[in-house]
Amino acid sequence: SYVLTQPPSVSVAPGKTARITCGGNNIGSKSVHWYQQKPGQAPVLVIYYDSDRPSGIPERFSGSNSGNTATLTISRVEAGDEADYYCQVWDSSSDHRDVVFGGGTKLTVL
Amino acid sequence: EVQLVESGGGLVQPGGSLRLSCAASGFTFSSYWMSWVRQAPGKGLEWVANIKQDGSEKYYVDSVKGRFTISRDNAKNSLYLQMNSLRAEDTAVYYCAVMVTSGGWFDPWGQGTLVTVSS
Repeated sequence: SYVLTQPPSVSVAPGKTARITCGGNNIGSKSVHWYQQKPGQAPVLVIYYDSDRPSGIPERFSGSNSGNTATLTISRVEAGDEADYYCQVWDSSSDHRDVVFGGGTKLTVL
Repeated sequence: EVQLVESGGGLVQPGGSLRLSCAASGFTFSSYWMSWVRQAPGKGLEWVANIKQDGSEKYYVDSVKGRFTISRDNAKNSLYLQMNSLRAEDTAVYYCAVMVTSGGWFDPWGQGTLVTVSS
């Protein structure tokens, strides 16, 4: 089955840019979605279709996807961005219609 | 306001059964695929099951096939997960979520219900 690989942790100073990667075999050919999850809360969609933002998500959140790596970029990081972030793809072409999540990345704001 | 509210979680012994429910409101429930996603304590997200709008297609992660059944009642705007032969490794918070199949993302999510399988 398809595997998505994320770094367990990323640290960044306030006001700087955080980049969280999601690796997968030819992931650039798939649509990648990103979720933010704060402690004790349900996940929230922050990026869909590689780079689109749902309404209410700040422009500081952006995404890209090419080759074997998708990236979630958070600009001008704030303390409130500290959370776990998960990438996700859906293999709609397979018989099983598998949904795959990455292992998650804990973003720490220093 | 779109809202998903899960219920039915609790403590169950290994080998036991539990039925989770998800009450939907604020959107046309019958127009969307629905899903269950779980998260074991301190672990990441794991997709569990999907169901098509009319219930004609259902998909499961391999680890729950033959033990879990996803279903829905569009007249009641409700989603269900029947869980049988429960194992310790099924212990998790179970979230229901709307799956947008134009691209395969989940939005929104419910607040989750905790299932603990332990003797």
